[in-house]
Amino acid sequence: GAGVSQSPSNKVTEKGKDVELRCDPISGHTALYWYRQSLGQGLEFLIYFQGNSAPDKSGLPSDRFSAERTGGSVSTLTIQRTQQEDSAVYLCASSPGGPNTEAFFGQGTRLTVV
Amino acid sequence: RKEVEQDPGPFNVPEGATVAFNCTYSNSASQSFFWYRQDCRKEPKLLMSVYSSGNEDGRFTAQLNRASQYISLLIRDSKLSDSATYLCVVNRNSGGGADGLTFGKGTHLIIQP
Repeated sequence: GAGVSQSPSNKVTEKGKDVELRCDPISGHTALYWYRQSLGQGLEFLIYFQGNSAPDKSGLPSDRFSAERTGGSVSTLTIQRTQQEDSAVYLCASSPGGPNTEAFFGQGTRLTVV
Repeated sequence: RKEVEQDPGPFNVPEGATVAFNCTYSNSASQSFFWYRQDCRKEPKLLMSVYSSGNEDGRFTAQLNRASQYISLLIRDSKLSDSATYLCVVNRNSGGGADGLTFGKGTHLIIQP
């Protein structure tokens, strides 16, 4: 079966441009996470969606970052006016959402801001 | 106290040795615990869940200590292919059931020939 799919796999953008990163979770998974990971660093939590509940946006680093999850499925992470420090791998994960359930990761989008 | 805390390492261990690392968590209400493995430039993948009674999967043993709020991972007879970053994962559980997973920053393990 299909896993978590992220697109694009690589994105190079100019400083100041807006970018959209897409995540297609595993069908039926109610929980969806966005993380970012800079080279050699750990996972940095960005945002968490669970069903119809209000998302946990506590990890978004600035108001240039936003995310949506439409119809409880596909999610889009938008970064406005990109900065060089936004360069990182952006990872999406989904989970069935119940207790004792693991999260499955996509292969990530490598974002480079030049 | 951070939600999930791990020693970042690196742990440099000779092939064949036994290595163990711990992870502490702050939320005493957490119910689910996992170890993930992340290879260089790859996404994290589940290594094993951690159950209250402790569990073993081949050379890997995971244990949970609720009283002290830590989980551990033991790797016996380490192989070169065990070199990776090991992430400790705990669910937040604010009282409404599973409430999102919190990932530690990871412990970097290097197995040396």
